[in-house]
Amino acid sequence: SQTIHQWPATLVQPVGSPLSLECTVEGTSNPNLYWYRQAAGRGLQLLFYSIGIDQISSEVPQNLSASRPQDRQFILSSKKLLLSDSGFYLCAWSDRDRGYYGYTFGSGTRLTVV
Amino acid sequence: SQQGEEDPQALSIQEGENATMNCSYKTSINNLQWYRQNSGRGLVHLILIRSNEREKHSGRLRVTLDTSKKSSSLLITASRAADTASYFCATATSGTYKYIFGTGTRLKVLA
Repeated sequence: SQTIHQWPATLVQPVGSPLSLECTVEGTSNPNLYWYRQAAGRGLQLLFYSIGIDQISSEVPQNLSASRPQDRQFILSSKKLLLSDSGFYLCAWSDRDRGYYGYTFGSGTRLTVV
Repeated sequence: SQQGEEDPQALSIQEGENATMNCSYKTSINNLQWYRQNSGRGLVHLILIRSNEREKHSGRLRVTLDTSKKSSSLLITASRAADTASYFCATATSGTYKYIFGTGTRLKVLA
């Protein structure tokens, strides 16, 4: 069966420090991968999505970037965090050939920038 | 701007009552999905309704879709305290796999 792993679960980082959040999917190949951010008590904002290695689309201009070094690995990064980067970050995957069947989400990373 | 917007933003009901949440969207879609999020957790997929369907059931969940009004509703019957969560609708513009989520309805079921 397919599983998605996201870590770390919580993170407290100072302003100006770098960030690296990792997400991996097991049990499937060629998944579509997504990064969302959720501000406290708010909806989800799509940050990046990827339909393949070297195929990453950015939805919101900001100081974050995403990379997909392997087919089932998706990394969210920042060189210098801002206070406004605080939030709940969620990784998700969908079946590329059955993308209409919905997402499976990771358990999320709660990032607090201090 | 948000593709999907739910209302109400918050809903508080007694256990055993029915809960109805609504979602409106803006573009043509292939399908609409509803997700549930317990506090501080990831989202869980509940149900998907295709654009050529008008109603779908899954257990105590009933989803309707009106493509002419670009709206959907999620009904939870005989609610339980464990149904307390936030509920989100998600839609993707036809031809894309990029789902946009609404702002969610926070449901609180009182025991």
